[in-house]
Amino acid sequence: GDSVTQTEGLVTLTEGLPVMLNCTYQTAYSTFLFWYVQHLNEAPKLLLKSSTDNKRTEHQGFHATLHKSSSSFHLQKSSAQLSDSALYYCADTNAYKVIFGKGTHLHVLP
Amino acid sequence: DMKVTQMPRYLIKRMGENVLLECGQDMSHETMYWYRQDPGLGLQLIYISYDVDSNSEGDIPKGYRVSRKKREHFSLILDSAKTNQTSVYFCASTQGAVNTLYFGAGTRLSVL
Repeated sequence: GDSVTQTEGLVTLTEGLPVMLNCTYQTAYSTFLFWYVQHLNEAPKLLLKSSTDNKRTEHQGFHATLHKSSSSFHLQKSSAQLSDSALYYCADTNAYKVIFGKGTHLHVLP
Repeated sequence: DMKVTQMPRYLIKRMGENVLLECGQDMSHETMYWYRQDPGLGLQLIYISYDVDSNSEGDIPKGYRVSRKKREHFSLILDSAKTNQTSVYFCASTQGAVNTLYFGAGTRLSVL
């Protein structure tokens, strides 16, 4: 069945180091890929999205490039900040159905 | 102001009681969703609503039903709640398909 696979569990790194959270998808028909971010006790909200192959999308210092050949949409940031600590979800869409990965907790240490 | 509002924010119920979770949005979005969030499982889709009285089961509909009588309002009902329905429930809305989801703040439900 359709699925989205993310870097599992918890990623811990020190402030200032680069961030990379992996996302791959296996869906019958994919339209948009999304990254959502959820800070503690808040609602998930959109971080960035893309439907264009091989085009870099950027927002709030994060970037991701959709690669349809490898079914990937990895999230990157050059330098982590303490405020980036949150739960990150990759999601794929197929018409009305939104398929979320299980989420990756990012914990940035001072 | 683009907003999805969920009520209540926190709820404690006993096993076997009925539960009503309510969600409203002020964006006239056609499509609304109910998800539950559990540690390690991410966001699991319970129901989708395409518009008034046009609802479809998601991936985990068992034990839940929904009601959408007005475009701006989408309810999730648990008839005879079970302890394994303890979770955080999120409502979301979007315009049409394949657009950004706007989430409510969530309802934390504990079934004892």
